Amino acid sequence: KNQVEQSPQSLIILEGKNCTLQCNYTVSPFSNLRWYKQDTGRGPVSLTIMTFSENTKSNRRYTATLDADTKQSSLHITASQLSDSASYICVVSAYGGSQGNLIFGKGTKLSVKP
Amino acid sequence: DARVTQTPRHKVTEMGQEVTMRCQPILGHNTVFWYRQTMMQGLELLAYFRNRAPLDDSGMPKDRFSAEMPDATLATLKIQPSEPRDSAVYFCASGLSLADSYEQYFGPGTRLTVT
Repeated sequence: KNQVEQSPQSLIILEGKNCTLQCNYTVSPFSNLRWYKQDTGRGPVSLTIMTFSENTKSNRRYTATLDADTKQSSLHITASQLSDSASYICVVSAYGGSQGNLIFGKGTKLSVKP
Repeated sequence: DARVTQTPRHKVTEMGQEVTMRCQPILGHNTVFWYRQTMMQGLELLAYFRNRAPLDDSGMPKDRFSAEMPDATLATLKIQPSEPRDSAVYFCASGLSLADSYEQYFGPGTRLTVT
């Protein structure tokens, strides 16, 4: 069964600290993996999209890694800011050209405290 | 600054009433998605369209939900009759499908409460 599991469910860190969010998936055949950031009361915003051949992708203070062999991805946030407080959702797309084959994780809720 | 717009932003209705949610995708985008988000289930894909044609609505309860794209600038999601379990935030997203890994841009969502 295609599944995406994220950990931890929630996380509290102090401003300025780094953190890493995990995403494990069992989706096959794999097409791509996305990380979204969702602020409270808003729609998700894409941070990265990674295909099979990409191991690391950075977007400002966000760095996503992908290990297609172990079917794991991580999102590392460097020097966290209060504005990083949000839910981070991992989404995996199954190959086949159909964008309906999107499997969503339940998200990690990150709180950055001053 | 192109954005996906959704109306209404909030809707409170009584069980049994019809609810219609509207979405205006970003001009030029050819793919539109409808999602539902709840605390328990997270984000779920309900339906999506490419070039206005429905490609997948397997995530949608067919007996009460319907999704249409009357034209390229408007997508609608209708619930009739609504039930309390439909209470959720409904998101529309659009994208330009040139490859399998294209971006989706989400609207602000419609928060639906069915009492």
